[in-house]
Amino acid sequence: QSALTQPASVSGSPGQSITISCTGTSSDVGSYNLVSWYQQHPGKAPKLMIYEVSKRPSGVSNRFSGSKSGNTASLTISGLQAEDEADYYCCSYAGSSAVVFGGGTKLTVL
Amino acid sequence: QVQLQESGPGLVKPSETLSLTCAVSGYSISSGYYWGWIRQPPGKGLEWIGSIYHSGSTYYNPSLKSRVTISVDTSKNQFSLKLSSVTAADTAVYYCARSAARNRFDLWGRGTLVTVSS
Repeated sequence: QSALTQPASVSGSPGQSITISCTGTSSDVGSYNLVSWYQQHPGKAPKLMIYEVSKRPSGVSNRFSGSKSGNTASLTISGLQAEDEADYYCCSYAGSSAVVFGGGTKLTVL
Repeated sequence: QVQLQESGPGLVKPSETLSLTCAVSGYSISSGYYWGWIRQPPGKGLEWIGSIYHSGSTYYNPSLKSRVTISVDTSKNQFSLKLSSVTAADTAVYYCARSAARNRFDLWGRGTLVTVSS
């Protein structure tokens, strides 16, 4: 069970859109529509932003969207805002009741 | 309003057992959900440790399974983590969290830093 692969960092200007990728294998991301995404600001607990690939919890802005193709899931943030600057983690069910996280991506809003 | 609060020693000696508790308020653990532990070494990413279903079934990270025990105490409405034979690599912020499904952690505690050092 290896960590999912995310880019270490991405950046964008206010108002732009960015996409963070999350690459797994056919044993995790590719096999289940159970990918979730978390936002974490410095010193804070993670916050659920997306679950089951593309569903948003109540209260999460519709600027956040998720998708999946094959073994790769993606988180897209549109209309980038300063408060979106944070670390983002993907997470997948990996079968046999196991869960695996990605290594995390630092989003910088320029 | 459902809240989770981690508690336990902030310093553990190498080779000893790390023990943490997560107190849940505003919801009865025995009513449903999975209850899990996730950790984050300083400056690093998140790692799932394991989860327990409200019925008592447990699920562990294969890489930690031999050292981890998660249990639930419905009378105190809390669940616990024990990690044995700790080393410096186990130094991390430990979070407890609720999940409606395997990896849908929708509610988190604030986290507690545990340092492994002699």
